[in-house]
Amino acid sequence: ELKVEQNPLFLSMQEGKNYTIYCNYSTTSDRLYWYRQDPGKSLESLFVLLSNGAVKQEGRLMASLDTKARLSTLHITAAVHDLSATYFCAVFGNEKLTFGTGTRLTIIP
Amino acid sequence: EPEVTQTPSHQVTQMGQEVILRCVPISNHLYFYWYRQILGQKVEFLVSFYNNEISEKSEIFDDQFSVERPDGSNFTLKIRSTKLEDSAMYFCASSDGLGTANTGELFFGEGSRLTVL
Repeated sequence: ELKVEQNPLFLSMQEGKNYTIYCNYSTTSDRLYWYRQDPGKSLESLFVLLSNGAVKQEGRLMASLDTKARLSTLHITAAVHDLSATYFCAVFGNEKLTFGTGTRLTIIP
Repeated sequence: EPEVTQTPSHQVTQMGQEVILRCVPISNHLYFYWYRQILGQKVEFLVSFYNNEISEKSEIFDDQFSVERPDGSNFTLKIRSTKLEDSAMYFCASSDGLGTANTGELFFGEGSRLTVL
């Protein structure tokens, strides 16, 4: 059974700082997605990573995928308050998307 | 921009009652999903549906749950006899699959919050 783990689970960081969220998964897959969720809201697609070495960037967020290590990272550069949310990675396998535990990110002014 | 729509946004029901949650997926999508999220917890897979049949289901999706695509547009989740532990946000999602021009990403609706008393 595919297991997806994220760390850290909770992250408080100051505005302007950089940090990385890690996503490890247990079985082979080359389809990994990152989603953002604001409190009480739905899941908003951020990045689609479909091959080993894929790197995508949008604003202050950059995601990468290493299928050999079964690892994806979401890097935050010069954090701003608007990035406060919960971030989920999700891996596709066996006809479904399996979500990680989520990382609740709080940006402190 | 096309989107997945869900109704109702919030439903309160008594334990033991039947509930139907409705979803209208994006029109040209072929793969449909239900997920649930208990407050503050992770997003859990319930069921995937393709070509008018279930392609995968989780342990949560027991005999009390069923899905249906009664016409060309709606995708419904029925819970026959609700339990307290069914209280959660239920998300419907759809995808156009992973083809040459597709990314296979799932697009999620706004969710239906179910409260079982």
